[in-house]
Amino acid sequence: VLTQSPGTLALSPGERATLSCRASQSVSSNSLAWYQQKPGQAPRLLIYGASSRATAIPDRFTGSGSGTDFTLTINRLEPEDFAVYYCQQYGSSPITFGQGTRLEIK
Amino acid sequence: QVQLVQSGAEVKRPGASVKVSCKASGYTFTAYYIHWLREAPGQGLEWMGWINPTNGVTNFAPKFQGRVTMTRDTSISTAYIDLSRLRSDDTAVYYCARDWSLPITTFGVITPRRSNRFDPWGQGTLVTVSS
Repeated sequence: VLTQSPGTLALSPGERATLSCRASQSVSSNSLAWYQQKPGQAPRLLIYGASSRATAIPDRFTGSGSGTDFTLTINRLEPEDFAVYYCQQYGSSPITFGQGTRLEIK
Repeated sequence: QVQLVQSGAEVKRPGASVKVSCKASGYTFTAYYIHWLREAPGQGLEWMGWINPTNGVTNFAPKFQGRVTMTRDTSISTAYIDLSRLRSDDTAVYYCARDWSLPITTFGVITPRRSNRFDPWGQGTLVTVSS
């Protein structure tokens, strides 16, 4: 089970966001990804392998962590960053997602 | 560019079946696994399974075993998911997504690899189950 916190995070543009994803057991080979989903859109892959950015993802997005505790940090929030973020583990079957963190404008 | 275009919204009665299509373009269809996922109202994302478009081999999440079928038609670069014995809690937006891993090419033969990471995704298909 992946548990994300907080459920909702209200920040202003330019601030830093820190999103947490905690696994109930160790995630195999740091097989942890982060996705961004904007309203009415499909999710987009941001981070894989816990810390590697996917293609064309700005460097203000940083993934970190290992084992059971993972973090997505977004520096210098831009207006387009306000969305829902999901973590996903793909190291064991079945593949599972966290329940999401909603990042909203303060 | 790589694109996955899904079929339109469906309304079904409980107990019925639904079939959603996912047409791929912009890449070699048989070179990448296709996954199916769903997002129920107020719920998070749920992975349902994958299909290898090269040979049609499938794998499903235990929750959907016996109720889901995944197929493909390589002649039209399209994948399908069929969910039977629908219940009200199957109401959700259903997504297809391409696996992120680059394929391997050996002596001109392209073999897909599976990373279980998803990108890009289709636009989603709303399936409503209601009596």
